[in-house]
Amino acid sequence: QSALTQPASVSGSPGQSITISCTGTSSDVGGYNYVSWYQQHPGKAPKLMIYDVSKRPSGVSNRFSGSKSGNTASLTISGLQAEDEADYYCSSYTSSSTWVFGGGTKLTVL
Amino acid sequence: EVQLVESGGGLVQPGRSLRLSCAASGFTFDDYAMHWVRQAPGKGLEWVSGISWNSGSTGYADSVKGRFTISRDNAKNSLYLQMNSLRAEDTALYYCAKDTSSGSLLDWGQGTLVTVSS
Repeated sequence: QSALTQPASVSGSPGQSITISCTGTSSDVGGYNYVSWYQQHPGKAPKLMIYDVSKRPSGVSNRFSGSKSGNTASLTISGLQAEDEADYYCSSYTSSSTWVFGGGTKLTVL
Repeated sequence: EVQLVESGGGLVQPGRSLRLSCAASGFTFDDYAMHWVRQAPGKGLEWVSGISWNSGSTGYADSVKGRFTISRDNAKNSLYLQMNSLRAEDTALYYCAKDTSSGSLLDWGQGTLVTVSS
């Protein structure tokens, strides 16, 4: 159950687009379409932004999108806004019938 | 409105036990799988354990397997985590979360803090 690999930090200017990657193996990300992405602001509980690789829960802005290619999933945020500054985590179902999170990525809006 | 309220956290010595509870309301509890996720101070999220709607299936992270036990009481709309043989590395904020589908966690509690220290 090794954590999924995410970049420690990414940054972008308002209005730009950024992409956060989440790399696993064929036993997790690559083997199932059960990848989720969470946003967490300091001192707050995580918020589900994307599930099942590319689906958005009701109320989540369409500026957030998800995709997957092989063992790597990606979260793209377009039209970056100041309130998007937060930590982002991916998670995936695994072949051991467990779930695993990524190490997290700190997004800075310049 | 979905509400998940965790309780039972606190300061405990290494090797001792603690039982966390999560009181659920605002939805049909026995329709959903539930999970515990923890976050050590200043660190990332770690999935701890999950349980199916009818308790027929449970899963644990390797880091807690054999020490922690997840359970639920659908009649009481409650989720539990029995934590035995606690270690310093179990120190974290423990969240209860509702599984919307395939492990996606739409609803979270505010967490209960567990500190393992002598």
